Amino acid sequence: EAGVAQSPRYKIIEKRQSVAFWCNPISGHATLYWYQQILGQGPKLLIQFQNNGVVDDSQLPKDRFSAERLKGVDSTLKIQPAKLEDSAVYLCASSSLGTGDTEAFFGQGTRLTVV
Amino acid sequence: RKEVEQDPGPFNVPEGATVAFNCTYSNSASQSFFWYRQDCRKEPKLLMSVYSSGNEDGRFTAQLNRASQYISLLIRDSKLSDSATYLCVVNIVTGRRALTFGSGTRLQVQP
Repeated sequence: EAGVAQSPRYKIIEKRQSVAFWCNPISGHATLYWYQQILGQGPKLLIQFQNNGVVDDSQLPKDRFSAERLKGVDSTLKIQPAKLEDSAVYLCASSSLGTGDTEAFFGQGTRLTVV
Repeated sequence: RKEVEQDPGPFNVPEGATVAFNCTYSNSASQSFFWYRQDCRKEPKLLMSVYSSGNEDGRFTAQLNRASQYISLLIRDSKLSDSATYLCVVNIVTGRRALTFGSGTRLQVQP
């Protein structure tokens, strides 16, 4: 079974530029998460989708971050404009249920460096 | 106060040692608990779920104390391959249903 796919693996941009990340979850998984992991910290939830609806985006900095999950499958996360403090690994995860009781499978992440 | 708190370590132990990690969580309504393992520059992966009665998987034992809002992970007979960061994960039920991660405890097993 294919895992969670993310691209790109690495991205370097200048501050104030825009960037987008793509995620394809495990087939059949209704729940998709985007997490931000800053070096030395645990993953922090940015947004959770159940199919193509948003369940929780309370920690998403909405003035610069946006995410969508059209058709309830793939998802994109965008940052516009980027700040230095956005340098982090952006992890996409999926699970079969959206209750937080089941395993979340993570992609390899996109390592973003803002200079 | 952080929702999930862990001692960041690092814990440096010799091969064969027994090591224990602790984790506390702030929301008493939390329902599900897990330990994830994250290797350097890799994604987190589920190590084991934590059940109220405690559970064991080979050399790994997880315990939950709901009254103290405390979770533990015990690793016996440490192997070099156990070197990683161990993330305490809680399903905090405060209108959200996603997993909340601690900052992780780094373990380095020495030969």
